[in-house]
Amino acid sequence: AQSVAQPEDQVNVAEGNPLTVKCTYSVSGNPYLFWYVQYPNRGLQFLLKYITGDNLVKGSYGFEAEFNKSQTSFHLKKPSALVSDSALYFCAVRDSNADGNNRKLIWGLGTSLAVNP
Amino acid sequence: EAGVVQSPRYKIIEKKQPVAFWCNPISGHNTLYWYRQNLGQGPELLIRYENEEAVDDSQLPKDRFSAERLKGVDSTLKIQPAELGDSAVYLCASSPPTLAGVTDTQYFGPGTRLTVL
Repeated sequence: AQSVAQPEDQVNVAEGNPLTVKCTYSVSGNPYLFWYVQYPNRGLQFLLKYITGDNLVKGSYGFEAEFNKSQTSFHLKKPSALVSDSALYFCAVRDSNADGNNRKLIWGLGTSLAVNP
Repeated sequence: EAGVVQSPRYKIIEKKQPVAFWCNPISGHNTLYWYRQNLGQGPELLIRYENEEAVDDSQLPKDRFSAERLKGVDSTLKIQPAELGDSAVYLCASSPPTLAGVTDTQYFGPGTRLTVL
């Protein structure tokens, strides 16, 4: 069965410091991995995805994520956090071999990121 | 390029009343999704359309929920009658046609916040 876990409900970081939001996954085949961000009262915005190729994926707003197959992780990172990065972050996974009703994203519960000035 | 449009943004109704949500996907996107998101949770897929065909409605509570996408563009999600537990944000997303083996990034609308009293 496919699953994704975001082990931290909340992450606090000071502005200017590096940030990491963790995500681990479980799929039977190769994973397609996504990060989305949700600002208050807004829909989800796509940040970045891993399909294949380079393990380090760069996305919007200076975010990047590293795919680690051995640790089944896809942690979101940013070298220097901004107060405006404060939002809810969701990791999602799909099995690349899935078809039919299994061809859907499995979502984590989200991690609330608070960047303090 | 216009994003996914949803209306209304907010809706307050009394229980047992009907309610409908409308979604206009990004032009050219053949796949459309309806999600429900409860506070503090990730999105939960209700139904997925490929053009006008509902290809995954396994999570749609069919006793009170219905959806349609008659011409393969706009879509409507209806609840009749609404229950207290239906209070949530209803998100619509769309994704473009994909080549075999390439996954589909989903682009979300702002959502409709439903409150059932």
